[in-house]
Amino acid sequence: EDKVVQSPLSLVVHEGDTVTLNCSYEVTNFRSLLWYKQEKKAPTFLFMLTSSGIEKKSGRLSSILDKKELFSILNITATQTGDSAVYLCAPTDNYGQNFVFGPGTRLSVLP
Amino acid sequence: GEEVAQTPKHLVRGEGQKAKLYCAPIKGHSYVFWYQQVLKNEFKFLISFQNENVFDETGMPKERFSAKCLPNSPCSLEIQATKLEDSAVYFCASSPHTGANVLTFGAGSRLTVL
Repeated sequence: EDKVVQSPLSLVVHEGDTVTLNCSYEVTNFRSLLWYKQEKKAPTFLFMLTSSGIEKKSGRLSSILDKKELFSILNITATQTGDSAVYLCAPTDNYGQNFVFGPGTRLSVLP
Repeated sequence: GEEVAQTPKHLVRGEGQKAKLYCAPIKGHSYVFWYQQVLKNEFKFLISFQNENVFDETGMPKERFSAKCLPNSPCSLEIQATKLEDSAVYFCASSPHTGANVLTFGAGSRLTVL
């Protein structure tokens, strides 16, 4: 059965701190891994990772995938209160249409 | 349209009543997904469609839940005889037709069963 584990489940930091969120997965015929940010409503897309070792960056956020060890990390540097959200990772299978969501990491950034 | 449109935003039902939620995927997207999120917990996959055909229904409770995606109509998720535990936010998402895809989510429909 496909499985996704995210850690930590909850994290409280202060503005300016750097955080690393972890996602490990077991997915049959893995193809790619997506990261989403969920604030009050719908999750919004952050990154899609398909290849190992290639870092994707968007402003203060970056993410990388390790297909050998079956995990991905999401880094946020110089956190701001607006980064407070639940961060979800979702690996997909080879067909690209089976998304398995992890439980999420709830990040709270205090001023 | 360029967004996944879900209606209604909030629906309140008494136990035993029927609830029906709607989703219009992004124009040109072939896949539609329904997820249930209870109390901001995990996303539970319910069902996915490829156009009007069921693609994967492994998450769908067999007894009271049904879903359709008909041509030229919004997709729908219907719950017969709602129970308290059906209270959740139901998210619809859509994705394009091939390849490693990105799911785009709607804003969700909050169902409250009293």
